[in-house]
Amino acid sequence: GNSVTQMEGPVTLSEEAFLTINCTYTATGYPSLFWYVQYPGEGLQLLLKATKADDKGSNKGFEATYRKETTSFHLEKGSVQVSDSAVYFCALVGTSYGKLTFGQGTILTVHP
Amino acid sequence: SQTIHQWPATLVQPVGSPLSLECTVEGTSNPNLYWYRQAAGRGLQLLFYSVGIGQISSEVPQNLSASRPQDRQFILSSKKLLLSDSGFYLCACRDFQETQYFGPGTRLLVL
Repeated sequence: GNSVTQMEGPVTLSEEAFLTINCTYTATGYPSLFWYVQYPGEGLQLLLKATKADDKGSNKGFEATYRKETTSFHLEKGSVQVSDSAVYFCALVGTSYGKLTFGQGTILTVHP
Repeated sequence: SQTIHQWPATLVQPVGSPLSLECTVEGTSNPNLYWYRQAAGRGLQLLFYSVGIGQISSEVPQNLSASRPQDRQFILSSKKLLLSDSGFYLCACRDFQETQYFGPGTRLLVL
């Protein structure tokens, strides 16, 4: 079956530091890949997505590239802000009724 | 684009009491709808999905049930709550590009 593995957290950074959150997946076929962000007490918001190999998703300074050869979709941001503190989820959707398979989530805390 | 409403936002219920959580969607028709549960602020588990009115599929056997009485309404229910039913319940809607959008969630505490 499908699975998603995220780097263990929590991740703690200073403001303006570079961020990488690793995500690798196992899936049959060619899944679409997503990053969602969850701020404290809120639901999940779509951050970015990529639907085919070598696609780069980007939003709010975050980027992730769909790497089929390494089955990865690492999230990066060049300069994080305190407001980026949240839980980040990597996910994929296969072909079965659109079911999302999530990674376990990575807690990011950014200090001023 | 679609908007997802969930009600109530927070709920505290005694063990053994019934449950009804509501999800309604605006801005789309005939959507695929999903119920997820998130425990301890991490890890989302798909509970139910629906591809149309009256069509419900369960991902895991448990104390909960779901119904879809209208095209844009999805309800999560229980006849008797357990302590283990506590968690954050999220409703989601899928668009034609396979992207799922989530509602604000309902936080349930069973005491």
